[in-house]
Formats: sequence, C-alpha cells, structure tokens
Amino acid sequence: AQSVTQLDSHVSVSEGTPVLLRCNYSSSYSPSLFWYVQHPNKGLQLLLKYTSAATLVKGINGFEAEFKKSETSFHLTKPSAHMSDAAEYFCVVSDGAGSQGNLIFGKGTKLSVKP
Amino acid sequence: GAVVSQHPSRVICKSGTSVKIECRSLDFQATTMFWYRQFPKQSLMLMATSNEGSKATYEQGVEKDKFLINHASLTLSTLTVTSAHPEDSSFYICSARVTRNQETQYFGPGTRLLVL
Repeated sequence: AQSVTQLDSHVSVSEGTPVLLRCNYSSSYSPSLFWYVQHPNKGLQLLLKYTSAATLVKGINGFEAEFKKSETSFHLTKPSAHMSDAAEYFCVVSDGAGSQGNLIFGKGTKLSVKP
Repeated sequence: GAVVSQHPSRVICKSGTSVKIECRSLDFQATTMFWYRQFPKQSLMLMATSNEGSKATYEQGVEKDKFLINHASLTLSTLTVTSAHPEDSSFYICSARVTRNQETQYFGPGTRLLVL
C-alpha cells in the first residue's frame, strides 16, 4: 500500500531563510507525488507534482522538490521564506498506477514564518 | 486555472437534521469528483469518489446511507449528511478531476459543519 509520512508537524522559520519540509513515501511501484498547500479558508492548491519525469520538480511560488528513490523522499524546499508562505503543507501520493489512483495525504506540516 | 467552489462555507445544524453541501466546478467539466473529510490537525481522508451519472464509490468505513452523494452533472456534486450527529462535525472538502487521464485534482475551499 502507498503512504506518505511528513516528519514534522510544525516548522517555524524566519522570513528570508530557507524552508525545508520533509516527506517520505512508501510505494510498491513508481509513485506520483504531489505537494499541496492549504491557506486558512481557502482550497488546497497544487504546488508541484512528480510523475516520473525530472527528479527535481519546480513548482509555483519558488518552491521545488526533489524525488530521491534511494531515500524514498520527496522533500519540499524554498530558498527564502516569505510571510505569505505561512500555511499547512501536505505531501500526497497517488495510490494507483498512472492516472487512475486516488490521493493519499500525509498528516500535514504547518509552516510558520516569523518576521 | 480550474476553480472549484463549495456552498455553504460553514453550517451549523441541530442533531437529527440533514445538511446538503454543494461542490461545483466553475470553469471546467469534472468527470470525477471526490469528497474528503478533515478532522482538526489531521489529514484529509477520502470518503467517496463519484463519477458523473453513476453511483459513488465509498471508502471502507464510510456509511453510504449516511453520506449521500449525487453527481448529476459534469459541474455539480452534492454531499448530504443525513440525520447529522455531533460526531459528524468536521471539515468537508470536495475536489474535481477533469478527465481520467489527469492525476491533478482541484480542491474546493471546504465546508465546516458543526452539529449541535
């Protein structure tokens, strides 16, 4: 079965410093992986997705994630945090091969950004 | 980009009443819609998957008679919580997928249900 583990429930950084949100996955085949962001009172927004193309995936708002098969990881990074990045971030894996799967969500990491 | 709306954004109801939540894809046709439930400080749990014009597929442990899902058109799916109880209080989120060949789901803003 497919699953994702977000290693930190809460991450706090200062504005202008790098962001690292960690995610490890478990999958019996080549997975499709996603990062979504959830701002208060807004819908989940797709940041980026990995679907077996380039292992370094660039997303919106300066975020990127690197798929590392040997480490079964898909950590989300950003070189410099902005106040507007404060939100809940979810690492997600598709539970089916190709495009037919449902999404399995991690428990989320709350990112706080200090001035 | 693809926009999904939900209505209402929040609802408070008495125990025993039924509540209907609407999910609409505003600028695209959604062949498949999903309903999730999110408890405080927890992840999203898939409740059911609905394809337009057919019966919804419920995840294990989700009562289909309790959570009625209708996907009558390519732009609208509804979730009705029947005979709601306080334990049904939660944040309900819908999402929509354009076609079966696309993995990306577009999420609505969610509906917060409080059952007194």
